[in-house]
Amino acid sequence: NAGVTQTPKFRILKIGQSMTLQCTQDMNHNYMYWYRQDPGMGLKLIYYSVGAGITDKGEVPNGYNVSRSTTEDFPLRLELAAPSQTSVYFCASSIGLAGTYEQYFGPGTRLTVT
Amino acid sequence: LAKTTQPISMDSYEGQEVNITCSHNNIATNDYITWYQQFPSQGPRFIIQGYKTKVTNEVASLFIPADRKSSTLSLPRVSLSDTAVYYCLVLTDKLIFGTGTRLQVFP
Repeated sequence: NAGVTQTPKFRILKIGQSMTLQCTQDMNHNYMYWYRQDPGMGLKLIYYSVGAGITDKGEVPNGYNVSRSTTEDFPLRLELAAPSQTSVYFCASSIGLAGTYEQYFGPGTRLTVT
Repeated sequence: LAKTTQPISMDSYEGQEVNITCSHNNIATNDYITWYQQFPSQGPRFIIQGYKTKVTNEVASLFIPADRKSSTLSLPRVSLSDTAVYYCLVLTDKLIFGTGTRLQVFP
């Protein structure tokens, strides 16, 4: 099993550009999550999904969109990138709701918006 | 909104036992307490999870008092490779990781 994979590893965007961060898991987990981590800070939940076709907002959803068309994939879309979105983005998955079940994290995508 | 509280940083030496305490005053009755470890430039990794009393696995122990308003992660005989940030997580906090505890282990 590859676990949770994320692409790209690094990306530099100009202000106003858009991009999609890809996340795939091969563990057949129902729950998937997107977090962002600013330097020296903890992780903040952006969006999560409890299964294909179902998504919900986390703590910091503004400026982002998600979709979940399959169990395996959970892409995160950034529209009109802003410098405040410079961060490291982590995708995670779990078999049940995190907090009750272990989350498995991907290696992260380091995004810089200039 | 309930939040966990942990010390910002701790220092230790190799071979010592390290105890990191997390306060979670508003934990819900059926919430588990989960601890994660994060190395620089990596995603967090699950260490241990518990609901009450004591849980032990091959890398750590977790102590939870009867009132469950706090928990203590115990790392026995730490090594340099245990230098990392440690987070406690409870579901009541809507999966907010907080700033964690930065553990530095010295030789």
